[in-house]
Amino acid sequence: SAVISQKPSRDICQRGTSLTIQCQVDSQVTMMFWYRQQPGQSLTLIATANQGSEATYESGFVIDKFPISRPNLTFSTLTVSNMSPEDSSIYLCSVAGTSGRDTQYFGPGTRLTVL
Amino acid sequence: AQSVTQPDIHITVSEGASLELRCNYSYGATPYLFWYVQSPGQGLQLLLKYFSGDTLVQGIKGFEAEFKRSQSSFNLRKPSVHWSDAAEYFCAVGAGSSNTGKLIFGQGTTLQVKP
Repeated sequence: SAVISQKPSRDICQRGTSLTIQCQVDSQVTMMFWYRQQPGQSLTLIATANQGSEATYESGFVIDKFPISRPNLTFSTLTVSNMSPEDSSIYLCSVAGTSGRDTQYFGPGTRLTVL
Repeated sequence: AQSVTQPDIHITVSEGASLELRCNYSYGATPYLFWYVQSPGQGLQLLLKYFSGDTLVQGIKGFEAEFKRSQSSFNLRKPSVHWSDAAEYFCAVGAGSSNTGKLIFGQGTTLQVKP
């Protein structure tokens, strides 16, 4: 299984600011995903981070609010822009191989609180 | 559309007792099914997965799950629960007809273990 790290592990931010979350994997992976877990809720997929092209966003999520970069096969960033208290969540990245049958492995998450 | 339902939001069992967590899915084709566990402040850890073949799958930490196509279920079981099993458990289905790797999660079941 892949070893995934995220930075920062947690942060407290002011309304209107932006935060960039980093996801680093110890091996090259084809698929990387970003999920949001709101307090007491399940995980919701934000987008699929595609290497060398724009991310693919799920319904209800837009690039202006959650810009994503994927410069190579081991790294991705998610930015939460113009934050509001409703953005307070845990943000998790996950990775998988080349097939839809491949298991997804998750990072430890970034706990974001917006005041 | 694909969906996952975990009917039990919260379950409490005594240490040493058996455990069954329910999961029902809605998916048109053969699903890829997963159980993940999330301990407080931690990321998600894969317990087990089902892609095809034997409908009874064994996982880590003594967990097993049985895929029942006729009931659209993938219930998680453990014969004897340990206090360290207290956590949030998520059932997920692999979504998409192509190799998208997307996962749809259930709402989660919180397991409390009484001494």
